[in-house]
Amino acid sequence: GAVVSQHPSWVICKSGTSVKIECRSLDFQATTMFWYRQFPKQSLMLMATSNEGSKATYEQGVEKDKFLINHASLTLSTLTVTSAHPEDSSFYICSARDRTGGVFVGEQFFGPGTRLTVL
Amino acid sequence: QQQVKQSPQSLIVQKGGISIINCAYENTAFDYFPWYQQFPGKGPALLIAIRPDVSEKKEGRFTISFNKSAKQFSLHIMDSQPGDSATYFCAASKAAGNKLTFGGGTRVLVKP
Repeated sequence: GAVVSQHPSWVICKSGTSVKIECRSLDFQATTMFWYRQFPKQSLMLMATSNEGSKATYEQGVEKDKFLINHASLTLSTLTVTSAHPEDSSFYICSARDRTGGVFVGEQFFGPGTRLTVL
Repeated sequence: QQQVKQSPQSLIVQKGGISIINCAYENTAFDYFPWYQQFPGKGPALLIAIRPDVSEKKEGRFTISFNKSAKQFSLHIMDSQPGDSATYFCAASKAAGNKLTFGGGTRVLVKP
């Protein structure tokens, strides 16, 4: 159980275009999902917390108008990178909070990540 | 502000040896301390987690040791195998479902 999927697994786009990444909890409901960004050989940096039915909470320094987050259902959150530029190229990872299961109630489970390359 | 400091950055261990990774935190409000394993190009996978009310937790070859007074916790990988070669991250949060603060990561290489 506790499987989180992301789609697509990788995407290449031209500078100036927008890219949407989906994060789904497959076998549990997730009222909260988190979006992270990871550069090569670096740690995960939290970008935003996504709550179902409400606005996302962004970490300091993250442009909310550039990284649009929508959490429309208990199993789906989307991250849209608007007007992408080469510096947005990164590995984007989501996690979903299992509000009822896990060894510790509310544990986060991570998706496989999405590799974004902006040309 | 890096609230969770992880060391070493990299580690080479022989097959069958013990890998030890250390983390130190600053925020005394943290009460959930998970460890994640990440392979290249993949998302992190939860290995083992602990709360401050216990000093040690063991799951298979993985053991977390926790020292609340020192605000430190460590991961021990016993009988290390080549398949354990990965990057390991410690993390901390105020509760299991709250946002995680990650350490910098440790790249472990297990030589056959």
